[in-house]
Amino acid sequence: QVQLVESGGGVVQPGRSLRLSCAASGFTFSSNGMHWVRQAPGKGLEWVAVIWYDGSRKYHAESVKGRFTISRDNSKNMLYLQMDSLRAEDTAVYYCARWSGGDADGGLDVWGQGTTVTVSS
Amino acid sequence: SSELTQDPAVSVALGQIVRITCQGDSLRNYYASWYQQKPGQAPVLVIYGKNNRPSGIPDRFSGSSSGNTASLTITGAQAEDEADYYCNSRDSSGDHLRVFGTGTKVTVL
Repeated sequence: QVQLVESGGGVVQPGRSLRLSCAASGFTFSSNGMHWVRQAPGKGLEWVAVIWYDGSRKYHAESVKGRFTISRDNSKNMLYLQMDSLRAEDTAVYYCARWSGGDADGGLDVWGQGTTVTVSS
Repeated sequence: SSELTQDPAVSVALGQIVRITCQGDSLRNYYASWYQQKPGQAPVLVIYGKNNRPSGIPDRFSGSSSGNTASLTITGAQAEDEADYYCNSRDSSGDHLRVFGTGTKVTVL
């Protein structure tokens, strides 16, 4: 079945780095754009980043720009989020999600279960 | 970056109609997609594009848009529809960024 499984979360000190992974299965991974979305404890959803189906374009939210980098390896069906210079406000559940449909009229139709990142000294 | 504003909470009697709105400048040019999230669970896509439902989403969910406002309507609300709902659309900056709405908690009475 179509599935996304995140991993790599944990407790990390401020200023350190962490890399999240998202393993895709059950669909042609190289055909879909992929996103990272996060949710701080008790808060709403926050969009983090997108990468085109072929990795040719990537965009990051202003709140993480210059610190986080989205990437993918289509040969391994894997999506990544490299998180550097972590701050307390980056504490959240991080979800990877698949985009389906056009850029203007599609949606995030498959989500992982999320991985928790806690930034604390 | 742009913002998408939603009412924090709405309530609806069982079997009645509830409309959830999402306001933002970017909605004049881009469709919104809508997500349902229950406590402790990942979000689920319920509406995308002009008014499209993924397979498995009941037809009591529908979407519409006018000007700077997108709406999600639940016609005949059920107990299982009690959840948080978020809209999502392109950021108006034109850089392919996206933004989520502030979220609406729907309570079914």
